[in-house]
Amino acid sequence: DIQMTQSPSSLSANIGDTVTITCRPSETISRYLSWYQQKPGKAPKLLIYATSTVHSADPSRFSGRGSGTDFTLTISSLQPEDFATYYCLQSYTIPWTFGQGTRLDVK
Amino acid sequence: QVLLQESGPGVVKPSGTLSLTCAVSGPSITATKWWGWVRQTPGKGLEWIGEIYHSGTTKYSPSLKGRVTISVDKSNNHFSLILTSVTAADTAVYYCAARPASVGVDAYDMWGQGTRVTVSS
Repeated sequence: DIQMTQSPSSLSANIGDTVTITCRPSETISRYLSWYQQKPGKAPKLLIYATSTVHSADPSRFSGRGSGTDFTLTISSLQPEDFATYYCLQSYTIPWTFGQGTRLDVK
Repeated sequence: QVLLQESGPGVVKPSGTLSLTCAVSGPSITATKWWGWVRQTPGKGLEWIGEIYHSGTTKYSPSLKGRVTISVDKSNNHFSLILTSVTAADTAVYYCAARPASVGVDAYDMWGQGTRVTVSS
């Protein structure tokens, strides 16, 4: 199985800050990487797929980059609704595997 | 708009069979989508279980293969998860999810609200 290593595991930031979360697969996954946001008690919500295509997020604040074994999610101008846990998911090979999550909270 | 809703027992006995259904509202289950299951535990985080296309083509996680079956019920517009020989390790919140069957969109864009299943005697 491809192991997905997310960092940091937790992150504190202020409203208006810019943060970057990293996801490193144990093998190359081309661009088959998506990002999800999850709030307590809720299902994950797709933010970005195919590394950089924004699905349901503010494209002016959420961006994804990377390829191979190094991927990032950047959230700029943090808003109150952005404080949540973020997960990456590789869909390059079965079994699809998730990162362990990055918890973003208010400093 | 696709709406997904999981249903099934909240408690399953050890060595028993976990059976969940995901009702699909909106498109037909025969739409060009893959229908999947993901579970979440505090210890292991999010875990992909598998998915099915309405033709019956399935993909399963090797770690669960042999215990898991995903099926589609076209007449009732829902799909199901069966997991046999459950143990405490199968205690989790189970989500059903859907994704477009389009090249390059390998990501679940619709999710059910999740249903908690506890394996306990």
